[in-house]
Amino acid sequence: EDKVVQSPLSLVVHEGDTVTLNCSYEVTNFRSLLWYKQEKKAPTFLFMLTSSGIEKKSGRLSSILDKKELFSILNITATQTGDSAIYLCAVTNSGYALNFGKGTSLLVTP
Amino acid sequence: GAGVSQSPRYKVTKRGQDVALRCDPISGHVSLYWYRQALGQGPEFLTYFNYEAQQDKSGLPNDRFSAERPEGSISTLTIQRTEQRDSAMYRCASSPTGELNTEAFFGQGTRLTVV
Repeated sequence: EDKVVQSPLSLVVHEGDTVTLNCSYEVTNFRSLLWYKQEKKAPTFLFMLTSSGIEKKSGRLSSILDKKELFSILNITATQTGDSAIYLCAVTNSGYALNFGKGTSLLVTP
Repeated sequence: GAGVSQSPRYKVTKRGQDVALRCDPISGHVSLYWYRQALGQGPEFLTYFNYEAQQDKSGLPNDRFSAERPEGSISTLTIQRTEQRDSAMYRCASSPTGELNTEAFFGQGTRLTVV
């Protein structure tokens, strides 16, 4: 059975800190790994990773995939209160579904 | 439309009633997904459409759940004879192509409460 495990489940940091969120997976016929940010509204897409070792970057957020060790990390530098959200990791295989982890709840305090 | 639109945003229904949840995907998007998200959990896949064809319904929990997308655009998820355990956020997502490995854009969801 496919498995996606995110850690930590929750995290509280101060503004300006750097955080690293983890996502490990066991998936048959892995195709891609995606990160989403979920606030009160819809989950919004952050990154899609398909190749090992290639960092994707968007502003203060970056992510990288390790297909040998079966994990990905999402880094957020110089955190702001607006980064407070649930960060969801999902993997795809040969099917159509996104298989999500439970998410990491991040709270950034002023 | 500009984004994936779902209606109603909130639905409270009595146990045993049928409910129909609507999803209006981004215009022109080929793929449409339905997910269910319980509190403290990630979204759980229910079903997938490529245009009007329901290509994967492996995530539908039982035969009380059904979905359709008759004209390849708007989709309806129907739950018959609702039970309290059906209470959850139901999310729709769409993506522009029918290929795997493309990002999905999510709607704001319908919060279903069965009392």
